[in-house]
Amino acid sequence: DVKVTQSSRYLVKRTGEKVFLECVQDMDHENMFWYRQDPGLGLRLIYFSYDVKMKEKGDIPEGYSVSREKKERFSLILESASTNQTSMYLCASRKYSYTEAFFGQGTRLTVV
Amino acid sequence: GENVEQHPSTLSVQEGDSAVIKCTYSDSASNYFPWYKQELGKRPQLIIDIRSNVGEKKDQRIAVTLNKTAKHFSLHITETQPEDSAVYFCAAPISGNTPLVFGKGTRLSVIA
Repeated sequence: DVKVTQSSRYLVKRTGEKVFLECVQDMDHENMFWYRQDPGLGLRLIYFSYDVKMKEKGDIPEGYSVSREKKERFSLILESASTNQTSMYLCASRKYSYTEAFFGQGTRLTVV
Repeated sequence: GENVEQHPSTLSVQEGDSAVIKCTYSDSASNYFPWYKQELGKRPQLIIDIRSNVGEKKDQRIAVTLNKTAKHFSLHITETQPEDSAVYFCAAPISGNTPLVFGKGTRLSVIA
């Protein structure tokens, strides 16, 4: 059974903290993605990666960075968390442009 | 880049009736159109997808139709059941790439 696993289900952080969200997939997928989900706004793409060490900006990259040191792991970094980054964060991976994207269970981040 | 519009944002149907959700996309080069279902508190999961070389695909009570000329595709659910209640997302790929751009979602409620 394919799996995308996010390291935390719930996180509460203080404004200004550096936050790491981790995502691991066991399907040997080259492509990994970070989305943010907010009510009424759907899923918005933050960053994605085609391969190790490679990253591309999505639609809303401001305030975020990413790291892909190993094929199976894709990390989202909030350099200095702000309250407007309170949201559900979803990691996903897929093999090709015409195949299914598999999602992690999501991390609900609250910044106070 | 790709823009995906989804309508309606909410939909209520009586159990046993049909439900139709429509999406339009902007990039004529898009070639893969998935639909995801997200139940409350769970991750989005693929329910059906279609590639641009076919006009319709069915899987039991679910079907997707694609009109490439008009750049729109639709999800059809027949004989709806209470367990069909969820948020449904359509998506299309950014041209030539693997990231998916999602619609804002449709909250479907099936009333018993």
